[in-house]
Amino acid sequence: DIVMTQSPDSLAVSLGETATINCKSSRSVLYSSNNKNYLAWYQQKPGQPPKLLIHWASTRESGVPDRFSGSGSGTDFTLTISSLQAEDVAVYYCQQYYTTPPATFGQGTKVEIK
Amino acid sequence: EVQLVESGGGLTQPGGSLRLSCAASGFTVSSYYMTWVRRAPGKGLEWVSVIYVDGNTVYADSVKGRFAISRDNSKNTVYLQMTSLRAEDTATYYCARTENSDLYGAFDIWGRGTLVTVSS
Repeated sequence: DIVMTQSPDSLAVSLGETATINCKSSRSVLYSSNNKNYLAWYQQKPGQPPKLLIHWASTRESGVPDRFSGSGSGTDFTLTISSLQAEDVAVYYCQQYYTTPPATFGQGTKVEIK
Repeated sequence: EVQLVESGGGLTQPGGSLRLSCAASGFTVSSYYMTWVRRAPGKGLEWVSVIYVDGNTVYADSVKGRFAISRDNSKNTVYLQMTSLRAEDTATYYCARTENSDLYGAFDIWGRGTLVTVSS
């Protein structure tokens, strides 16, 4: 199974500042035949289910604010939250679906307000 | 509206059984790969099981031989039969749909989850 490792485990960011979350996969999740990275980012707020924010490493889901952006390729990926808002407090997970099942998740990164 | 609604969670003793249900609306479950994911208290998300469009099933090693995923097309519902439950199965269980009727896709629709507690 592909192991997904996120860093940091938690971070505190001031309102309006930028939060950066990293995700590293134990093997490349880039499929060379279509040049797509099989990588998603989810947001989970307390008491709520996970919500898909970004798929294919950098494609935002419909309705997701453009302050959320995904980047990276191969084994190294980043979720950036620009101009952090109070409603962005949540745990964020990366997930690979390059080899599935199982579709493996990172351990999660908790984002709080400083 | 496209949505998933889980039910069937509760408190059970070690060795007990529960059947979780995931009722879908706004789409047909038999046309999508449907997955169960769980989150134990204080832990992250863990993939549990998937049922393919063709009915094939796959399980995480941690539940293999104890859990069974199934589907009732007439009720547009996916199930997770859980037996020989252990304390470490305590978690909120989510049902999720894989996007684009493809196995290789992100989980675009999630239910709100149902809590399973295994304790004596």
